[in-house]
Amino acid sequence: DQQVKQNSPSLSVQEGRISILNCDYTNSMFDYFLWYKKYPAEGPTFLISISSIKDKNEDGRFTVFLNKSAKHLSLHIVPSQPGDSAVYFCAASGRYSGGGADGLTFGKGTHLIIQP
Amino acid sequence: ETGVTQTPRHLVMGMTNKKSLKCEQHLGHNAMYWYKQSAKKPLELMFVYNFKEQTENNSVPSRFSPECPNSSHLFLHLHTLQPEDSALYLCASSREGAPGADTQYFGPGTRLTVL
Repeated sequence: DQQVKQNSPSLSVQEGRISILNCDYTNSMFDYFLWYKKYPAEGPTFLISISSIKDKNEDGRFTVFLNKSAKHLSLHIVPSQPGDSAVYFCAASGRYSGGGADGLTFGKGTHLIIQP
Repeated sequence: ETGVTQTPRHLVMGMTNKKSLKCEQHLGHNAMYWYKQSAKKPLELMFVYNFKEQTENNSVPSRFSPECPNSSHLFLHLHTLQPEDSALYLCASSREGAPGADTQYFGPGTRLTVL
């Protein structure tokens, strides 16, 4: 049973427009969420994170929104650029309040394609 | 060298071979992780080491044997693997012990093919 779901395997967006990637989770113990970006033949690269005490976190062109009641988060990229074309993974953990090393639970990823 | 490095980047092995994957982090972190990414599946956590002690084994078969001699190095020893073990194996590290969560940083991965 997947605890982190990314229901869109791919998303195509025009350059300069907004890209919105969505992620849903089922485990209410998750309290820390991350987005990673992955190019082929490379490991995932950390993009942005949010803890459950916030509903929004912004870093440059990237903004993550968290809706705890809906168990939903989204990543907004504005404006989208050709270099943003990659696979984006949503990940979650339940260790923010407790400390200690813990693994991340990942979604299957969304392949974002930025069209010129 | 900076970040998290993994060697080899590609490995082809037979089912009777024994091989090892190596991971090294240069970030001063104290927790290290092995993940597996199979085709069309999400990344799956395999092992967690915190201050060299294994704190999680996510029901991984015994043909995968991790070793963490110090906080900077992590190995994954492989023996008598099956073709379905072919996957991308990713190492990650993070700084644990501070209040709040921390971010895991990943290496480039080892693409393993078992014949």
